[in-house]
Amino acid sequence: QKEVEQNSGPLSVPEGAIASLNCTYSDRGSQSFFWYRQYSGKSPELIMFIYSNGDKEDGRFTAQLNKASQYVSLLIRDSQPSDSATYLCAVSGGKLIFGQGTELSVKP
Amino acid sequence: DAMVIQNPRYQVTQFGKPVTLSCSQTLNHNVMYWYQQKSSQAPKLLFHYYDKDFNNEADTPDNFQSRRPNTSFCFLDIRSPGLGDAAMYLCATHPARGANGNEQFFGPGTRLTVL
Repeated sequence: QKEVEQNSGPLSVPEGAIASLNCTYSDRGSQSFFWYRQYSGKSPELIMFIYSNGDKEDGRFTAQLNKASQYVSLLIRDSQPSDSATYLCAVSGGKLIFGQGTELSVKP
Repeated sequence: DAMVIQNPRYQVTQFGKPVTLSCSQTLNHNVMYWYQQKSSQAPKLLFHYYDKDFNNEADTPDNFQSRRPNTSFCFLDIRSPGLGDAAMYLCATHPARGANGNEQFFGPGTRLTVL
């Protein structure tokens, strides 16, 4: 059974702080890794994707991948209240397998 | 703008009354997916099409069927909805199977309520 694990949260951070979201996966054959943001009642929207070990930065967002440890993370710098949402980690080695999501709350 | 469209956005049906959800895309993507997402849960893949090649997940109930008459449209039919089928149904597209780094594009979803 291929699994993707995330802490469900909620993760609460003050405005302006760094939010750190973590994800582990079980399938060593996984090749692509995605972070989706999902607001309540809305569909997932892509934030980042990464498929090489190391860091990938896009604005306030940094994705980090460590294939040896089967670990992928998302850092959000200068967190804003508008970042409050559920963040879904998804892993692909063919089909996309989603984690259950981490709820992030950014307090003003 | 190229996009994935789902209709209706909200659907209310009665227990046991068949319902059809639709998805259309202007992205000309080969692959289309249907997911079921219940509250506070991960999206669960029901099935997907690669062009007209239909792929059913092993644990998708027989109550769920799908049709893809052409590249642009895909339908989800729920033959006899039960209370447990109330969920958000998400349609997504992907340019080609096995293409790494290419994300799935999601439609806005259809929220299904079963009375």
